[in-house]
Amino acid sequence: AQSVTQLGSHVSVSEGALVLLRCNYSSSVPPYLFWYVQYPNQGLQLLLKYTTGATLVKGINGFEAEFKKSETSFHLTKPSAHMSDAAEYFCAVSPMNSGYSTLTFGKGTMLLVSP
Amino acid sequence: DVKVTQSSRYLVKRTGEKVFLECVQDMDHENMFWYRQDPGLGLRLIYFSYDVKMKEKGDIPEGYSVSREKKERFSLILESASTNQTSMYLCASSKGGTVNTEAFFGQGTRLTVV
Repeated sequence: AQSVTQLGSHVSVSEGALVLLRCNYSSSVPPYLFWYVQYPNQGLQLLLKYTTGATLVKGINGFEAEFKKSETSFHLTKPSAHMSDAAEYFCAVSPMNSGYSTLTFGKGTMLLVSP
Repeated sequence: DVKVTQSSRYLVKRTGEKVFLECVQDMDHENMFWYRQDPGLGLRLIYFSYDVKMKEKGDIPEGYSVSREKKERFSLILESASTNQTSMYLCASSKGGTVNTEAFFGQGTRLTVV
């Protein structure tokens, strides 16, 4: 069984400030971990993913996330927020070695960026 | 460019109607999924399919059924629509196997049941 907890349904930052979106997971088997972004009235777009290997993962648009097994976390960061980063972000987990790749999602965090 | 296409962006249906939501992918993916998205609840898996004519229940299958007659097409069926099925529905697909589990999503269908 898997679950994902995203701390904070809304996060507000100023343009140029650090973005930190928190994600903790629970999984009975080694996980694959994902961050997706959803812009208004759009589907989900993959930002980055952790499968195996390097625990610091870089994604699109300057985002990165670090897999910390001991903390069961996969927090998303970006050094400097841009207005175009305003969107909803979803963390998801999938069991490793599952051919079905069913994703379990967190409830999402809305990122608000002010000028 | 990979593509998952949902047949409608917006739908309005009446209570009790039978509703079909269609999804087509052009990536020759084995796996296809239907999720429901509600504010504050994130995405919840309704059904998924890992092969033609195969289907598996997700977390919230009640009130829904699915059909996968061809590899590229996965349909979600609301047998008798109810107002509590008003929601955003997202279709996704992914390649089978264990190496790459990235799922690609369609644009979503916003369904309103009145």
